[in-house]
Amino acid sequence: AQKITQTQPGMFVQEKEAVTLDCTYDTSDPSYGLFWYKQPSSGEMIFLIYQGSYDQQNATEGRYSLNFQKARKSANLVISASQLGDSAMYFCAMREGDTSGTYKYIFGTGTRLKVLA
Amino acid sequence: EPEVTQTPSHQVTQMGQEVILRCVPISNHLYFYWYRQILGQKVEFLVSFYNNEISEKSEIFDDQFSVERPDGSNFTLKIRSTKLEDSAMYFCASSDQGGVGSPLHFGNGTRLTVT
Repeated sequence: AQKITQTQPGMFVQEKEAVTLDCTYDTSDPSYGLFWYKQPSSGEMIFLIYQGSYDQQNATEGRYSLNFQKARKSANLVISASQLGDSAMYFCAMREGDTSGTYKYIFGTGTRLKVLA
Repeated sequence: EPEVTQTPSHQVTQMGQEVILRCVPISNHLYFYWYRQILGQKVEFLVSFYNNEISEKSEIFDDQFSVERPDGSNFTLKIRSTKLEDSAMYFCASSDQGGVGSPLHFGNGTRLTVT
């Protein structure tokens, strides 16, 4: 069964510093996708970055990068040069491939990031 | 940029009443979802919908819930006989191809308050 674990309920980071948000997953499907979403206090869910299980390189999108360690089943989000606007809840999510017979995306419990001035 | 639209943004209802939450997914998307989030906590899967039928549902999605795509643009979630514990943020989401590389695009949510 698919599972996503985020072990950091809350994190603090100083403005302009980098921060890593942890995410581990479990699946027996060789094909899967991993996603990170940002949820600011206003409540919307914003897609940040995607990593496919067969991707050879770590995904990057601007200041966001994904540290993908397949053997460890981890997909940590790295935010470089943190800004005050990065303060939000961050969710890791996974979508298994079609061999699993499921089409749903499952989410971790989230990490609340606070950027300090 | 195309977006998922949800209405209303906030709905207050009395226990036992029926509510309909409405969503307009991105026009060329084929897969539609409803998720809920209680008190800003975990994002829980309710149901997925493809080709005019439910493709998967969670144990939360019991007979109290139903979904419908009444026309080519709207996607609705109906909750019958609402309970206090149905109070949550309900998110509609859509994806284009439904494969592992397709991100979910979320609406801004409907905050449902059951009194």
